[in-house]
Amino acid sequence: DVKVTQSSRYLVKRTGEKVFLECVQDMDHENMFWYRQDPGLGLRLIYFSYDVKMKEKGDIPEGYSVSREKKERFSLILESASTNQTSMYLCASSSPRYYGYTFGSGTRLTVV
Amino acid sequence: AQKVTQAQTEISVVEKEDVTLDCVYETRDTTYYLFWYKQPPSGELVFLIRRNSFDEQNEISGRYSWNFQKSTSSFNFTITASQVVDSAVYFCALSEAVTGNQFYFGTGTSLTVIP
Repeated sequence: DVKVTQSSRYLVKRTGEKVFLECVQDMDHENMFWYRQDPGLGLRLIYFSYDVKMKEKGDIPEGYSVSREKKERFSLILESASTNQTSMYLCASSSPRYYGYTFGSGTRLTVV
Repeated sequence: AQKVTQAQTEISVVEKEDVTLDCVYETRDTTYYLFWYKQPPSGELVFLIRRNSFDEQNEISGRYSWNFQKSTSSFNFTITASQVVDSAVYFCALSEAVTGNQFYFGTGTSLTVIP
């Protein structure tokens, strides 16, 4: 069964901490994405990547960075966590051969 | 710019009622894909359906059906004889075929089915 795995379901971090959210997919997909989901705002794209070592800014990249050193892994980094980054974070992957996303289960991050 | 509108924020129905979730989209592209995803309380988004812009045939899958109308830029989703397990947030999404890589999501409709 194909999967997108996010390392943590729940995280609680302190303001100012550096936070790493990890995402791994086993489908050999070229494309990977990070979204955040907030009530009333739907899913908003933070960053995406079409290939290893490649990244593109999405709609709300401020306060975030990403890393893609291997095809199967796409990491989201909060350099200095702030309370307004409390949210649900969703990772997804896709392939140009198939127009559809596969999502991970999400990480609910709380910054206190 | 692309845009997907789900005007219904929350809907509550009694079990066994039919319910329709609305989705209206905007795009200047002639070739695009439309999707519906379900997000149950567990959090993971589950793929339900994909339609391309050249196929306006309605689709039925069990209790689920989809009505795609290019003339009104709508892609509505109907659940027949709703069940408690249908309670979830449902997202409509649009993707251009040219890139095929980035989705534009609506803000979601939260459906509660009351037993």
